[in-house]
Amino acid sequence: GAVVSQHPSRVICKSGTSVKIECRSLDFQATTMFWYRQFPKKSLMLMATSNEGSKATYEQGVEKDKFLINHASLTLSTLTVTSAHPEDSSFYICSARTSEAYEQYFGPGTRLTVT
Amino acid sequence: GQNIDQPTEMTATEGAIVQINCTYQTSGFNGLFWYQQHAGEAPTFLSYNVLDGLEEKGRFSSFLSRSKGYSYLLLKELQMKDSASYLCAANPGNTGKLIFGQGTTLQVKP
Repeated sequence: GAVVSQHPSRVICKSGTSVKIECRSLDFQATTMFWYRQFPKKSLMLMATSNEGSKATYEQGVEKDKFLINHASLTLSTLTVTSAHPEDSSFYICSARTSEAYEQYFGPGTRLTVT
Repeated sequence: GQNIDQPTEMTATEGAIVQINCTYQTSGFNGLFWYQQHAGEAPTFLSYNVLDGLEEKGRFSSFLSRSKGYSYLLLKELQMKDSASYLCAANPGNTGKLIFGQGTTLQVKP
């Protein structure tokens, strides 16, 4: 159990366009979802915490107008990278947890390349 | 502030035992996690410690000392497939968010 999916797994887009990444908890209800960014050979950097039905809480230094997060249901959160630039190219990973446990279950990640 | 420290790289031999250390300083504490991450993949959960002591799970064990802000992950009977990055992460409060260390890249050699 506790499977989290992400779509797409890889995406290439042009500078100035927007890209939406979906994160779904397949077999449990996720009261909280987290979005991370990871640069090559670096650890995970938390971008924001997303609770179902409320606004996301962004970490210091993360632009909320650039990285739009929506947590519309207990099984789906989306991250939209708006007006993407090459420096936004990265590995984006989501995770999800229930209200009963501290463990986070990670999605397989999305490799974003902005040309 | 929040700070998680772990060694950047380690090398060990197949069949041997390796211990990966992690020290943490966080504003609060609600548990310490270890994750394994292979290159290009998402992290997978290995262990969770919230009380002092050793938790054993097969070839992997994790230890926590809250008073020392210290944890280690012990891998026994190393296999080549254990070559990966091992991430130490602390839960500093009640929001559930995790603060990750830089990760320790373990290379297992024949």
